[in-house]
Amino acid sequence: ETGVTQTPRHLVMGMTNKKSLKCEQHLGHNAMYWYKQSAKKPLELMFVYSLEERVENNSVPSRFSPECPNSSHLFLHLHTLQPEDSALYLCASSQAPAGTYNEQFFGPGTRLTVL
Amino acid sequence: QKEVEQNSGPLSVPEGAIASLNCTYSDRGSQSFFWYRQYSGKSPELIMFIYSNGDKEDGRFTAQLNKASQYVSLLIRDSQPSDSATYLCASVRGSSNTGKLIFGQGTTLQVKP
Repeated sequence: ETGVTQTPRHLVMGMTNKKSLKCEQHLGHNAMYWYKQSAKKPLELMFVYSLEERVENNSVPSRFSPECPNSSHLFLHLHTLQPEDSALYLCASSQAPAGTYNEQFFGPGTRLTVL
Repeated sequence: QKEVEQNSGPLSVPEGAIASLNCTYSDRGSQSFFWYRQYSGKSPELIMFIYSNGDKEDGRFTAQLNKASQYVSLLIRDSQPSDSATYLCASVRGSSNTGKLIFGQGTTLQVKP
């Protein structure tokens, strides 16, 4: 595997379900990110982990719970979601943010549908 | 006011023409800017980044940054149908050391054969 991988690629879940999204990066980076991309809206940053510590929580509802057990893996745990949470969820990684530029590489995304 | 603004388009250009994509930003503290390309149903892929005033060229792509006018642009020379995609402009928020990228909503480019 190379780059940033995400599983599953597609997920359909009911509002009472609990599921998890997984992201793995094979680039030797130590910062990882979760983004949400809804139709007709800009990419929204949800969480940032740098050196396995959460450094950003962008006012995300508590029904989304991130976990970063090590610098290569990132999870997004989902529970009691709403239909408006249906979107493409993208994971990205970069070198730990430093300096003035921060090149992020994206995974293929998980297309989530909440019924 | 949105922090990063782009015209959603679509911008339509004929094959072989120059496509000009524009982006403005509101945070004067932003230092670095990125252009990503996103094909329909795919994830964004980085094309270029720029952090100095002026032009930066990479193959058919030229990024331009004017910090005084808070303006970033991407020029695509000799446009090809394969360049048809949504182009996302992003800035690193202010002096953030958390890598917080702020994205515009993207401009859809259509290159017609």
